[in-house]
Amino acid sequence: DGGITQSPKYLFRKEGQNVTLSCEQNLNHDAMYWYRQDPGQGLRLIYYSQIVNDFQKGDIAEGYSVSREKKESFPLTVTSAQKNPTAFYLCASSNRGSSYEQYFGPGTRLTVT
Amino acid sequence: AQKVTQAQTEISVVEKEDVTLDCVYETRDTTYYLFWYKQPPSGELVFLIRRNSFDEQNEISGRYSWNFQKSTSSFNFTITASQVVDSAVYFCALSALGSNDYKLSFGAGTTVTVRA
Repeated sequence: DGGITQSPKYLFRKEGQNVTLSCEQNLNHDAMYWYRQDPGQGLRLIYYSQIVNDFQKGDIAEGYSVSREKKESFPLTVTSAQKNPTAFYLCASSNRGSSYEQYFGPGTRLTVT
Repeated sequence: AQKVTQAQTEISVVEKEDVTLDCVYETRDTTYYLFWYKQPPSGELVFLIRRNSFDEQNEISGRYSWNFQKSTSSFNFTITASQVVDSAVYFCALSALGSNDYKLSFGAGTTVTVRA
């Protein structure tokens, strides 16, 4: 089945540790995105990539890093510099162009204590 | 700059009632796209509909209908004869052609609770 997978579903880390969230898609989409969602709030864009080996900062990129070495994969690293990392992280992909809808993965809930 | 406002934070209805979710948007672009997504308790966002700025026809899909009015910059969503399975957070989103970076701007979401 075509879709987006994110793993793991739940992730627990100690403060001060970097953690990498996985996102893989087999929809043959060029563009991929990472969003953060806090309780009771909408989605905020962290990073996005329109093509392999290229990515741009979104609205809240500080404390995060990404890579796009393969079309299918767009991992997100939450670094120790991120002040409030506990959140629900959603990955999405789409065809390139503003007219295309984004398809979302099931999300990873990260808890940092 | 573009912005999406969903003024209703939460709506609670009894099963079989109709519910309308408001969405007001702002953009300077003349070509733009509007979307609605559903986020059930599982967390994954599900795409519901896309509408471009040149198509003001209302759309109906089963119990779902959408009313797009450029004059009021609104793209409202109605669930007819609501069911418990409609309980979710619903997001309205906007993408503008002129932005050149294909970003979606999301509203804050409206939580719909349908009681049996």
